[in-house]
Amino acid sequence: DAKTTQPPSMDCAEGRAANLPCNHSTISGNEYVYWYRQIHSQGPQYIIHGLKNNETNEMASLIITEDRKSSTLILPHATLRDTAVYYCIVRVASLYSGGGADGLTFGKGTHLIIQP
Amino acid sequence: DAGVIQSPRHEVTEMGQEVTLRCKPISGHDYLFWYRQTMMRGLELLIYFNNNVPIDDSGMPEDRFSAKMPNASFSTLKIQPSEPRDSAVYFCASSPQGFYYGYTFGSGTRLTVV
Repeated sequence: DAKTTQPPSMDCAEGRAANLPCNHSTISGNEYVYWYRQIHSQGPQYIIHGLKNNETNEMASLIITEDRKSSTLILPHATLRDTAVYYCIVRVASLYSGGGADGLTFGKGTHLIIQP
Repeated sequence: DAGVIQSPRHEVTEMGQEVTLRCKPISGHDYLFWYRQTMMRGLELLIYFNNNVPIDDSGMPEDRFSAKMPNASFSTLKIQPSEPRDSAVYFCASSPQGFYYGYTFGSGTRLTVV
């Protein structure tokens, strides 16, 4: 899997949009971008993933640049409960393997702190 | 759905004792993963199963660790004998087949070996 680079920490004011960047300049054409978060003392939680198109779900939006070398996770209206470590992961998706063939490799992530 | 269920939530044991951690994945999920998390090393993948068959155990630290999945609804991670450096939070996760799904993690087992 390609490596990712994330800032170690970020602050955001409650109610504002939190924009978390991720650099994955060596990403391959068949690698997806996944985002997970881990709230203190809990297991990681899946947020969203995408290949090349922007994606949105009830939790967040994922913006992937056209060259796919970077992406941004957007939490549109951050709350205190969004304080967590956010992990950006790129992962090969192989149709032949069924896609779930390997485990995710977590880096150090970004510690997002939502300020009241 | 109750999610991925792990037991116990906390385990304190003495060095040299056998420890067994348990996981019940989400029904219908084909993949099961065991992770370990420490402050120093972060989240590490230990082993994962597909349809109850171990696929990759290259992350298992040494022979003291073993994992089994006797059926689709149950898996165990055993450490024998345990050592203080095994102290960590151990997470189990499960996933359906396909790369368009995320993993669902359990709440973890916090293991302390004294």
